[in-house]
Amino acid sequence: EAGVAQSPRYKIIEKRQSVAFWCNPISGHATLYWYQQILGQGPKLLIQFQNNGVVDDSQLPKDRFSAERLKGVDSTLKIQPAKLEDSAVYLCASSLVWAGRENEQYFGPGTRLTVT
Amino acid sequence: DAKTTQPTSMDCAEGRAANLPCNHSTISGNEYVYWYRQIHSQGPQYIIHGLKNNETNEMASLIITEDRKSSTLILPHATLRDTAVYYCIVDYGQNFVFGPGTRLSVLP
Repeated sequence: EAGVAQSPRYKIIEKRQSVAFWCNPISGHATLYWYQQILGQGPKLLIQFQNNGVVDDSQLPKDRFSAERLKGVDSTLKIQPAKLEDSAVYLCASSLVWAGRENEQYFGPGTRLTVT
Repeated sequence: DAKTTQPTSMDCAEGRAANLPCNHSTISGNEYVYWYRQIHSQGPQYIIHGLKNNETNEMASLIITEDRKSSTLILPHATLRDTAVYYCIVDYGQNFVFGPGTRLSVLP
């Protein structure tokens, strides 16, 4: 079974530029998550989709971050304009169900963003 | 804030059992305990989860105390490839809150 795919794996941009990350979840997984992981910390949830609808985006900096999941499969996360503090690994995860009592999430390899 | 407390780091000799503790004293009756690990430059990897009973799979065993206020992840025969950061997570039912985890170093 194919895992969660993410691209690109690495990205270097200058501050105030824009960047986009792509995620393809495990086939059949209804729920998709985007996390931000700053060096030395655990991942922090940015946004959660159930099919193509947003379930939780309370921690997404909406003035610069946006995400969409058209057709309920692939997803893109965009940052515009980027700041130095956005340097982090951006992880995508998917799970079969949402708000169920058992909610195993499967993570992709992440995209390492460096903002200079 | 994370609802769990874990030691910052631990060492384990190769071939020995690694026992990673986690405190979750505010856990509610319906919340599961999940364990993930993250090897350098990779995404977190699911290990095991449980509610009340002890659980075992091909990777590890999970021991949950009777009052459910703490748990222990056991890697029965640690190898060098088990060196990673291990996260203990209490499931809210909606999303995971990751703490800083325990950095396990398996030593030859």
